[in-house]
Amino acid sequence: AQKITQTQPGMFVQEKEAVTLDCTYDTSDQSYGLFWYKQPSSGEMIFLIYQGSYDEQNATEGRYSLNFQKARKSANLVISASQLGDSAMYFCAMRDFPNTGNQFYFGTGTSLTVIP
Amino acid sequence: DTGVSQNPRHKITKRGQNVTFRCDPISEHNRLYWYRQTLGQGPEFLTYFQNEAQLEKSRLLSDRFSAERPKGSFSTLEIQRTEQGDSAMYLCASSQLGGPFYGYTFGSGTRLTVV
Repeated sequence: AQKITQTQPGMFVQEKEAVTLDCTYDTSDQSYGLFWYKQPSSGEMIFLIYQGSYDEQNATEGRYSLNFQKARKSANLVISASQLGDSAMYFCAMRDFPNTGNQFYFGTGTSLTVIP
Repeated sequence: DTGVSQNPRHKITKRGQNVTFRCDPISEHNRLYWYRQTLGQGPEFLTYFQNEAQLEKSRLLSDRFSAERPKGSFSTLEIQRTEQGDSAMYLCASSQLGGPFYGYTFGSGTRLTVV
């Protein structure tokens, strides 16, 4: 079963605007972690932000914030004040600790293009 | 901390040949992971090591694939009798043991093309 769903294959955003990248997940575990990674054309996966299932506050890291809605099982990434360097693939990932704590499940990714 | 290093960055091989990739993790990280990423997909888990022990393998890791991590330092991933379906980006990652969150640090990957 698909654990991570990213329904936006491609997104465009004007420079300096905010953009939301969608992610929904599927798990029956109570303890899990949600992650967002950025993959530029160079291929390296760059960690952006983490949200634990028990965290009550939405995670923030600089211009990145995670809109965590547990009941809806969604973990959307919000990038504020987009920059040209934000153009890349973005992957949502999950670890559900009790069962598969040693591997990540990744979504299919969203390609973000920032327009000058 | 020089990050996770993978070599080579690119590999083109003929079908049926054997290939080997190397991953050097962050020195203090005792867990090492291999993932495969095909075009248009997210990375898929292949296997992971804790120190020198290979503790988990995905069903994606067929008999033609073998991974080692001698002495718990660098790791190698070998693919024997390569097939065109093996063409993908092979990503290595490392992390520290412990805690509810141990995010991975990924390398830049090895892109394999089987012709």
